[in-house]
Amino acid sequence: DSGVTQTPKHLITATGQRVTLRCSPRSGDLSVYWYQQSLDQGLQFLIQYYNGEERAKGNILERFSAQQFPDLHSELNLSSLELGDSALYFCASSVDGDSYEQYFGPGTRLTVT
Amino acid sequence: GQNIDQPTEMTATEGAIVQINCTYQTSGFNGLFWYQQHAGEAPTFLSYNVLDGLEEKGRFSSFLSRSKGYSYLLLKELQMKDSASYLCAVREAGTALIFGKGTTLSVSS
Repeated sequence: DSGVTQTPKHLITATGQRVTLRCSPRSGDLSVYWYQQSLDQGLQFLIQYYNGEERAKGNILERFSAQQFPDLHSELNLSSLELGDSALYFCASSVDGDSYEQYFGPGTRLTVT
Repeated sequence: GQNIDQPTEMTATEGAIVQINCTYQTSGFNGLFWYQQHAGEAPTFLSYNVLDGLEEKGRFSSFLSRSKGYSYLLLKELQMKDSASYLCAVREAGTALIFGKGTTLSVSS
């Protein structure tokens, strides 16, 4: 158990819908990262927040957005969902914005039908 | 551009030694990571190399050559529980990790 929690564990929704994934980092960690893992693409970095501010952006689609709240939990919003958005979404946290060790949560499996 | 290559699959037997290679081409380099991921579970951190050479941690060792853009993960005294996917990742200038597609290792008895 890494100490990072993610909810929900599973989510099934239809194309065109909007969902919100939630992540709570380990106690004391200020930085949160979001990753998408699909069978054909592997694990891809989406976005990083550090102490409430966006720190780095990866291959995040415009239909996706995220934020980190004052209590340091983070939410990833996915809208206008497409079949290709079906994937495992992982959140990871680290002590600070530069720490080399990231701790991954158990993931949210999103299925778009 | 960014490119991280590792073999898709490897097989080995219990008690053996296996070496998983990773080559990378990235625009910057600020460390190379190895993660282990069991099917359907979260990746867990195994090792980190930022300088050339070998880092040893129990049954697992990781090697880095920055000039060659090459790393390997060495697993000794293989156990059935080592059957998993092994992900090589590079950190460029920032803190985000760029992952390879992973190597699925199957350990048989």
